Amino acid sequence: RKEVEQDPGPFNVPEGATVAFNCTYSNSASQSFFWYRQDCRKEPKLLMSVYSSGNEDGRFTAQLNRASQYISLLIRDSKLSDSATYLCVVSFYNQGGKLIFGQGTELSVKP
Amino acid sequence: DTGVSQNPRHKITKRGQNVTFRCDPISEHNRLYWYRQTLGQGPEFLTYFQNEAQLEKSRLLSDRFSAERPKGSFSTLEIQRTEQGDSAMYLCASSLDPQAGYTFGSGTRLTVV
Repeated sequence: RKEVEQDPGPFNVPEGATVAFNCTYSNSASQSFFWYRQDCRKEPKLLMSVYSSGNEDGRFTAQLNRASQYISLLIRDSKLSDSATYLCVVSFYNQGGKLIFGQGTELSVKP
Repeated sequence: DTGVSQNPRHKITKRGQNVTFRCDPISEHNRLYWYRQTLGQGPEFLTYFQNEAQLEKSRLLSDRFSAERPKGSFSTLEIQRTEQGDSAMYLCASSLDPQAGYTFGSGTRLTVV
């Protein structure tokens, strides 16, 4: 079993749609949680950290459920520019802070 | 400071040759990480440094791979006797506080022919 698993993609949605990505992690010792965005053939870039209380950044909302070991990302009113691969990431501070990535879920927003 | 810099951007090499990649992190970042990413997968952790000390190596890092960070600044990743399976994007990232996230370089894309 992979340490971080994401919904298989790709997701193809029309502009303006709401889309949700789900992620589960296997190691309950995971301490920090992130969503990264990766455009085609580019490096991953931090989209947002994920906090236990849930957090929002504009059209993006992230949720964390430690009991279920589940992380989600909601994108509202999707734009063409949201098309990318979204990577769910966990980190272990007591292991030097290395990042463990999911395989990514590709999103394609169509006009 | 323009972020994390990686060189070269692309490298094509023949099987069996040695290659070396360089990463220049953000100057005040004491932690430096190497990852490898193949098509359709997320990045996989290879190794990390805190200052000049290499503190962890993944079992993905066979004995053909070696990484150094001699003065706690830039780092190099060398692959000896390259194999076709080494073809991937090699990403470097640096961080001051892991809980705040990381900055990735643009990566070095290696193709072994």
